[in-house]
Amino acid sequence: GENVEQHPSTLSVQEGDSAVIKCTYSDSASNYFPWYKQELGKGPQLIIDIRSNVGEKKDQRIAVTLNKTAKHFSLHITETQPEDSAVYFCAAPWKGSYIPTFGRGTSLIVHP
Amino acid sequence: EAGVAQSPRYKIIEKRQSVAFWCNPISGHATLYWYQQILGQGPKLLIQFQNNGVVDDSQLPKDRFSAERLKGVDSTLKIQPAKLEDSAVYLCASSLGTANEKLFFGSGTQLSVL
Repeated sequence: GENVEQHPSTLSVQEGDSAVIKCTYSDSASNYFPWYKQELGKGPQLIIDIRSNVGEKKDQRIAVTLNKTAKHFSLHITETQPEDSAVYFCAAPWKGSYIPTFGRGTSLIVHP
Repeated sequence: EAGVAQSPRYKIIEKRQSVAFWCNPISGHATLYWYQQILGQGPKLLIQFQNNGVVDDSQLPKDRFSAERLKGVDSTLKIQPAKLEDSAVYLCASSLGTANEKLFFGSGTQLSVL
């Protein structure tokens, strides 16, 4: 199976609502979990990351939570704005290496 | 700080033709990655370089794909001959080191194989 599974594939919210994207990973040795945002026609850009020694990290309207026991981590966006519309990817190291393997992505649509 | 530069931005070729992509990473970044992103999917690693050496190329289809980073700076990725299923965006990324660090991506080269 895939190293990283991401859900949902599409998420549509109204401006001001919260959005949550979830990822699960298979390698219990994984210790670094970044989230990337990709806008149309651009490469992915890191928006937040978390290491396995903490359970939560926040940066203004975005936060990431990590549950190592369950091997899943989530991206939380509060007070969504139209400019948050993009594809979001989670990633986790692959087969004990430091190379990030990406999920299939979540297309977030924020309606004004 | 200049970002990761890639060229060309778009390329259209016919199957069985050859194509090459170029990448210039952020100055001082030792590690360079090539990813393939098929429409609707996440980026998939093709090859990772540290300076001018290959760290991982286990997912590179070596019968048709090749990559080099001769002087440990710029890199080229080549496909010869191209197949229809190679249609994708080819992303180059760089990072300072190799251990769980932020990747900086270029805007990619969109390849269409007809």
